[in-house]
Amino acid sequence: DVKVTQSSRYLVKRTGEKVFLECVQDMDHENMFWYRQDPGLGLRLIYFSYDVKMKEKGDIPEGYSVSREKKERFSLILESASTNQTSMYLCASSGNRVRQYFGPGTRLTVT
Amino acid sequence: DQQVKQNSPSLSVQEGRISILNCDYTNSMFDYFLWYKKYPAEGPTFLISISSIKDKNEDGRFTVFLNKSAKHLSLHIVPSQPGDSAVYFCAASGLRGNQFYFGTGTSLTVIP
Repeated sequence: DVKVTQSSRYLVKRTGEKVFLECVQDMDHENMFWYRQDPGLGLRLIYFSYDVKMKEKGDIPEGYSVSREKKERFSLILESASTNQTSMYLCASSGNRVRQYFGPGTRLTVT
Repeated sequence: DQQVKQNSPSLSVQEGRISILNCDYTNSMFDYFLWYKKYPAEGPTFLISISSIKDKNEDGRFTVFLNKSAKHLSLHIVPSQPGDSAVYFCAASGLRGNQFYFGTGTSLTVIP
């Protein structure tokens, strides 16, 4: 069974800190995604990657960057965390357009 | 611009009755549609999907119907159980690359 893991379930950071969220998948999927989920706004795509070292902006990339140095790992970076980045962050992977597999999520609070 | 829409933010249903969750989309190029279920503080889990060449797909208590002319799909849960209480997201794929487009979710509450 596919497993997508995220480095932290809960994270509390201060405004201005640099934040790293890590995601690892074990199914050799080409595609990996980072979303944030906010009440009433659903899942909004931040960035996705369709291959190692390849990335594309999603709907809300401002304030975020990503890194994909290895196929199984996709990192989301908040260069300077702000309070409006307090959210649930979800990583997903897929091998095709038929289905995505999600990690458990990271609840990030920026104070 | 939201390409996948769920216009009902919430739905309450009595246990044992049918739950019907709706989803509309705007782009006729989508060729796969999915439903995910999400509990609080957990990642979404896949529930059921349907290809655009079909109009119905059934898996146990869950059935998804697709009406391509209306650009509408629905998820039927029969009978509804309290454990079905969660947020349900519909999603579509098939456009550029392997990107998925999600609706804003419907929070289902099944009342015992």
